Amino acid sequence: NAGVTQTPKFQVLKTGQSMTLQCAQDMNHNSMYWYRQDPGMGLRLIYYSASEGTTDKGEVPNGYNVSRLNKREFSLRLESAAPSQTSVYFCASGVSSGSGTDTQYFGPGTRLTVL
Amino acid sequence: ILNVEQSPQSLHVQEGDSTNFTCSFPSSNFYALHWYRWETAKSPEALFVMTLNGDEKKKGRISATLNTKEGYSYLYIKGSQPEDSATYLCAFGAAGNKLTFGGGTRVLVKP
Repeated sequence: NAGVTQTPKFQVLKTGQSMTLQCAQDMNHNSMYWYRQDPGMGLRLIYYSASEGTTDKGEVPNGYNVSRLNKREFSLRLESAAPSQTSVYFCASGVSSGSGTDTQYFGPGTRLTVL
Repeated sequence: ILNVEQSPQSLHVQEGDSTNFTCSFPSSNFYALHWYRWETAKSPEALFVMTLNGDEKKKGRISATLNTKEGYSYLYIKGSQPEDSATYLCAFGAAGNKLTFGGGTRVLVKP
């Protein structure tokens, strides 16, 4: 049981390049999330998917797109990378905690640098 | 944008001492308050989910309380050990099943 996996672990891009961050979970969770984490700031939600086939914007969606490919996989795409997108990106999947909110399980993160 | 604040941002604790720190959040549209523990070079891991005013949760030497009317939660570490060194995140859960995370309290326990 691998939990939540992310690829790649590290990536360096030049301004204007595009790339896709991959995320997969094997816990049969319905919801999945993408966050970014910057120094001095908490985790900020970029996009989330409540279930297969649905996606919705979070707090900081500009410059990103997502695809919920199937129940297991949720990818994050940067179409034209900018230095402001230098960050550590975390994917998470969620299971109901009985509170109306999900307990989230996080992947190991992808450290992205945009030059 | 919801305002979830944690204080202090960091604290140093002597091994064996107890400590506590705060998470403040909006008192309206409240569904749940989550606490996560985030060790260096690892991923955040869930500690508690709290929903009711007056809730108290405990896991080993770590416990948390919740006041939804005034919008705060305390996390306590009793008899701190070096393995308690981590960043502790709180997250406010509102409608729509999204969590808004605070900036974290970084705890360093000195032997």
